[in-house]
Amino acid sequence: DADVTQTPRNRITKTGKRIMLECSQTKGHDRMYWYRQDPGLGLRLIYYSFDVKDINKGEISDGYSVSRQAQAKFSLSLESAIPNQTALYFCATSVSGGTGELFFGEGSRLTVL
Amino acid sequence: RKEVEQDPGPFNVPEGATVAFNCTYSNSASQSFFWYRQDCRKEPKLLMSVYSSGNEDGRFTAQLNRASQYISLLIRDSKLSDSATYLCVVNQGGGADGLTFGKGTHLIIQP
Repeated sequence: DADVTQTPRNRITKTGKRIMLECSQTKGHDRMYWYRQDPGLGLRLIYYSFDVKDINKGEISDGYSVSRQAQAKFSLSLESAIPNQTALYFCATSVSGGTGELFFGEGSRLTVL
Repeated sequence: RKEVEQDPGPFNVPEGATVAFNCTYSNSASQSFFWYRQDCRKEPKLLMSVYSSGNEDGRFTAQLNRASQYISLLIRDSKLSDSATYLCVVNQGGGADGLTFGKGTHLIIQP
């Protein structure tokens, strides 16, 4: 089983719908992140959290919100999805004081029609 | 925003050849450097960290040139399984927001 699990893996939705992407980890890491990846743009940070209830905006947080109610879980919400939020979303974890290595989930492919 | 630049490729290389690509970064205060590998439609995975003294792991060698602000990745005796996108990642400091990803270099090893 993967150490960092994302659900759903694939989702097609319509403009205006609320979407939640879930991430859970069994690595015991304190830090968790949400990235999106678009062709030609690379990985961009949406939000990150260093501990339970700690929330920090990344490079492209507009249109997104997150929740960290437990160390092992970090959820990403799109309150009202729009087509340009169509992307591949990755959750990642790391440990404070570690090497800086990020451990990624397998990704959630979201299509907004 | 401080940038991390990579040649997107694709680099088409025959099996068994040696291939190298660079990544330049603009923030001279950058603290740590990494190469990640990403297979098509998969998550990125750490290939190797890049230390000031260089780092070698089997057929892979990573180097850091602080004066010219670039890191390099050398792959010797390339295998078909090396075909992937290689992401350069630079920690420019300031916590998680300091991690900047390059857009990746696409490598295709041809039989």
